Amino acid sequence: ETGVTQSPTHLIKTRGQQVTLRCSSQSGHNTVSWYQQALGQGPQFIFQYYREEENGRGNFPPRFSGLQFPNYSSELNVNALELDDSALYLCASSLESGKETQYFGPGTRLLVL
Amino acid sequence: AQSVTQPDIHITVSEGASLELRCNYSYGATPYLFWYVQSPGQGLQLLLKYFSGDTLVQGIKGFEAEFKRSQSSFNLRKPSVHWSDAAEYFCAVVPYSSASKIIFGSGTRLSIRP
Repeated sequence: ETGVTQSPTHLIKTRGQQVTLRCSSQSGHNTVSWYQQALGQGPQFIFQYYREEENGRGNFPPRFSGLQFPNYSSELNVNALELDDSALYLCASSLESGKETQYFGPGTRLLVL
Repeated sequence: AQSVTQPDIHITVSEGASLELRCNYSYGATPYLFWYVQSPGQGLQLLLKYFSGDTLVQGIKGFEAEFKRSQSSFNLRKPSVHWSDAAEYFCAVVPYSSASKIIFGSGTRLSIRP
């Protein structure tokens, strides 16, 4: 069974640029959630996708957007990058939405200069 | 306001000693409760979870946690820590009313003294 994978592992961007992060969910999982973890803090929920539809969103501006594909993999897009967007971005997949356990990938570390 | 509190930012214990990491939550109804561990530069690994039933939950790596409704707590314990347990530990909840997102505490960093 393949776990959750994310790409790239590290990324450096400059302010104002756009970035796309990718996540492949665990086999059989139809739900993907994205989290932002700033240095020294707990992860913060960005949004969740369930069967290709957004299913819940945290307190993040619209320049954070996402997609889920028919194979349930997902992308996180961030436009107009700001310095404070520097963080570890974590993707998690689960069998269904709701109380199902979420399994996390290793994350993508984004540095915005 | 709904929140998850981990009052200890950093704890150091000796190898072989017992461990207890504290977690308190404030929600109207009992949420779903989790403990995750994160090693440096790594993603999050689930240690254990509580949805309902027996309030003492066993997890991986010898960890256990006890849900106490009266204290709104879900403390993590281990009888004897190993050097490999050094990591960041996060308590997390999924509010019953909002089952799509996990809300994490700020974490407790565990160091092990040889």
